[in-house]
Amino acid sequence: GAGVSQTPSNKVTEKGKYVELRCDPISGHTALYWYRQSLGQGPEFLIYFQGTGAADDSGLPNDRFFAVRPEGSVSTLKIQRTERGDSAMYLCASSTDRGRGNEQFFGPGTRLTVL
Amino acid sequence: AQSVTQLDSQVPVFEEAPVELRCNYSSSVSVYLFWYVQYPNQGLQLLLKYLSGSTLVKGINGFEAEFNKSQTSFHLRKPSVHISDTAEYFCAVSDVNSGYSTLTFGKGTMLLVSP
Repeated sequence: GAGVSQTPSNKVTEKGKYVELRCDPISGHTALYWYRQSLGQGPEFLIYFQGTGAADDSGLPNDRFFAVRPEGSVSTLKIQRTERGDSAMYLCASSTDRGRGNEQFFGPGTRLTVL
Repeated sequence: AQSVTQLDSQVPVFEEAPVELRCNYSSSVSVYLFWYVQYPNQGLQLLLKYLSGSTLVKGINGFEAEFNKSQTSFHLRKPSVHISDTAEYFCAVSDVNSGYSTLTFGKGTMLLVSP
């Protein structure tokens, strides 16, 4: 079956612009995670959704970052007033339920470059 | 809070040689442990995980890892590597007591297999 997909695969924007990154999880997966991976680093947690609600957004770096999952499936990560430091690979993962120890399936990521 | 240390940023090895990728973690709570692999231009893929039981865990592609609680380590091993094993490997942990599986990753180890 289809895995986790993310669009676009690459996004180049200018400082100060607004961007949206999309994640399509595996069908039926209720848990969805966003991570950010900077160059030379491991992925860092941003936000976790269980169904439609953001159950844990403690990893969002500041209020320029926001994410939604209105129907409990597709999620969009939104970044306002982008800064050069936002440049990174943004990864989405999904799993079958709350995921205590469950495998997270990762998408290929969106590489964001802020000029 | 948890942290993961992967001491080696790169490990060069010849084809058919054995390899060990080191992972140490720090946590005030019990954790689950994971190894993920990231091939070029692909998403993270789960290699293996330790949840409970036998401390020696076998994963895909001939990899195995051993959980050592006293040394807070979870080193990854393969007795004979192939060129196709060239990839970045990430060790990760999640809190056993959490209702969900937010992962804390190490910085990764690049395994470079040459003929």
